[in-house]
Amino acid sequence: GENVEQHPSTLSVQEGDSAVIKCTYSDSASNYFPWYKQELGKRPQLIIDIRSNVGEKKDQRIAVTLNKTAKHFSLHITETQPEDSAVYFCAASITQAGTALIFGKGTTLSVSS
Amino acid sequence: DAGVIQSPRHEVTEMGQEVTLRCKPISGHNSLFWYRQTMMRGLELLIYFNNNVPIDDSGMPEDRFSAKMPNASFSTLKIQPSEPRDSAVYFCASSFQGRQFFGPGTRLTVL
Repeated sequence: GENVEQHPSTLSVQEGDSAVIKCTYSDSASNYFPWYKQELGKRPQLIIDIRSNVGEKKDQRIAVTLNKTAKHFSLHITETQPEDSAVYFCAASITQAGTALIFGKGTTLSVSS
Repeated sequence: DAGVIQSPRHEVTEMGQEVTLRCKPISGHNSLFWYRQTMMRGLELLIYFNNNVPIDDSGMPEDRFSAKMPNASFSTLKIQPSEPRDSAVYFCASSFQGRQFFGPGTRLTVL
């Protein structure tokens, strides 16, 4: 089955710096890759996603890149702000097979001002 | 749309009692998921349904846990009898074409 590895487990940056979180997946059939942000005491919230027919997607300060050959995808946050501090989860799934998302173990991002 | 609705939001019960958690998925979503989250074990998938049919319940920890989805707009997760180690936040999520949205969660405390 699918396995998703996420690195780093913790990341500390200064406000205004960029942050990058990387994930690798094992099943080449996976075709959907979402990212979730979970603030303390809140639910995981979908912040951006990418499907395998696209190499990059951007939404304001966040972007996701996908390398299908290498089976890895990354989340990029530019101009970080203290409110970006949260746990970020990557995930992968095969949408047409109706499979569940396989989540990475999460990255705790701390942005200090 | 109101999003995924879960009830109760908080539940405190005593060991041995039956606990029932409820979920209403987003209208039109055809998949529903139950997760458990703790500091020690992180986010765990317990069971999921496609078109109201249970697909994979391998994450259900024990026979004390059961889940049903009698129709497209309602699901329950039941724990009977409950134990202190069941204390966690239980999330329900629903999805359409893979895009999954979480409910606010139920914080369960078993004393």
